[in-house]
Amino acid sequence: SQQGEEDPQALSIQEGENATMNCSYKTSINNLQWYRQNSGRGLVHLILIRSNEREKHSGRLRVTLDTSKKSSSLLITASRAADTASYFCATDAESGGSNYKLTFGKGTLLTVNP
Amino acid sequence: DSGVTQTPKHLITATGQRVTLRCSPRSGDLSVYWYQQSLDQGLQFLIQYYNGEERAKGNILERFSAQQFPDLHSELNLSSLELGDSALYFCASSVGPAGDGDTQYFGPGTRLTVL
Repeated sequence: SQQGEEDPQALSIQEGENATMNCSYKTSINNLQWYRQNSGRGLVHLILIRSNEREKHSGRLRVTLDTSKKSSSLLITASRAADTASYFCATDAESGGSNYKLTFGKGTLLTVNP
Repeated sequence: DSGVTQTPKHLITATGQRVTLRCSPRSGDLSVYWYQQSLDQGLQFLIQYYNGEERAKGNILERFSAQQFPDLHSELNLSSLELGDSALYFCASSVGPAGDGDTQYFGPGTRLTVL
């Protein structure tokens, strides 16, 4: 089963509005990352937040992490049509010994209407 | 452009066949990861190599195998292909092994269609 689950599955907003996407996960993590994927293309890393951090900013992106609730949120402020994409959270979890792997959720499809 | 290259971009083949997907990591990256993305399963981690050695294994079928060569490029071999293997296959690379927060840089993917 997926470690990370994004919510909502799809989100449609107008340009200029803020977009908030949530991610919940099940097991303890070291880091949580958010990636973006334009249709049919490779994923692009957006931001990483470590388990001992609560909030992080990067440009118009704001990520929060609540380890007690095992959840994270990604806020995109002042959205633009070019922000239209799928957004995935990814958590790292131990896959055996000291080796870790990234587990991705199914993503939130964000559509920003001009 | 992430710096990760994948070939070919598209591959169309028939059931029962065998194909090889190729990935060149970013310059300086030692880790290579393979992922499969399909509509029903989402993005699934398959396998990771670090400096030539298998490092972590995910949901990789026995019909699939991979390796990382001394020049750090990697190949994913898919054999006895089935219709359900049709998917986008991504390669990603990072400097070190995952677990210390390395950013993974994704290639553009290979779209495999099995007819």
